[in-house]
Amino acid sequence: GAGVSQSPSNKVTEKGKDVELRCDPISGHTALYWYRQSLGQGLEFLIYFQGNSAPDKSGLPSDRFSAERTGGSVSTLTIQRTQQEDSAVYLCASSPGLAGHTDTQYFGPGTRLTVL
Amino acid sequence: SQKIEQNSEALNIQEGKTATLTCNYTNYSPAYLQWYRQDPGRGPVFLLLIRENEKEKRKERLKVTFDTTLKQSLFHITASQPADSATYLCGGTGRRALTFGSGTRLQVQP
Repeated sequence: GAGVSQSPSNKVTEKGKDVELRCDPISGHTALYWYRQSLGQGLEFLIYFQGNSAPDKSGLPSDRFSAERTGGSVSTLTIQRTQQEDSAVYLCASSPGLAGHTDTQYFGPGTRLTVL
Repeated sequence: SQKIEQNSEALNIQEGKTATLTCNYTNYSPAYLQWYRQDPGRGPVFLLLIRENEKEKRKERLKVTFDTTLKQSLFHITASQPADSATYLCGGTGRRALTFGSGTRLQVQP
């Protein structure tokens, strides 16, 4: 079946612009994560959605970052007034949601964001 | 804050040898550790999960250990092949989500 998909695969924007990154999780997966991966760095947790529960936003680095998940499926990560330090690969992962954070996470290919 | 540390230097080994990658955790005690493989330009792919009460877990040529005394997990690939060349990420379950290390790049020379 289809895996996690993300769009766009690459995004180049100018400093100060807003961007939206999209994630389509695996059908039926109730848990969805957003991570950020800077060059040579590990995965930095951003936000976690689980079913209809309030999302865990504790990893969002500033109030310029927000995310939503509509209908328990597609998620959009929005970065307002982008800064150069926002340049990174943004990865989305989904999991069945049956065993919390111990579930295997299935990652998308990521969106490479470059802020000029 | 809780931290996962992996050797940032690339590991270069000869084909057929055993590769051993290290993952150390500090300031917390993860109940589980997960290992993922990441190829350039792709998202990580799950390999193995090991629980804190399991000393060792194996899957084909892969072996993972979990030493709660040393606060360390070792990831072994036996009979390594050039196709095993990739970055390997260690993640520990925390209160909110997995905490990942920065990964270790493995290069297997033919």
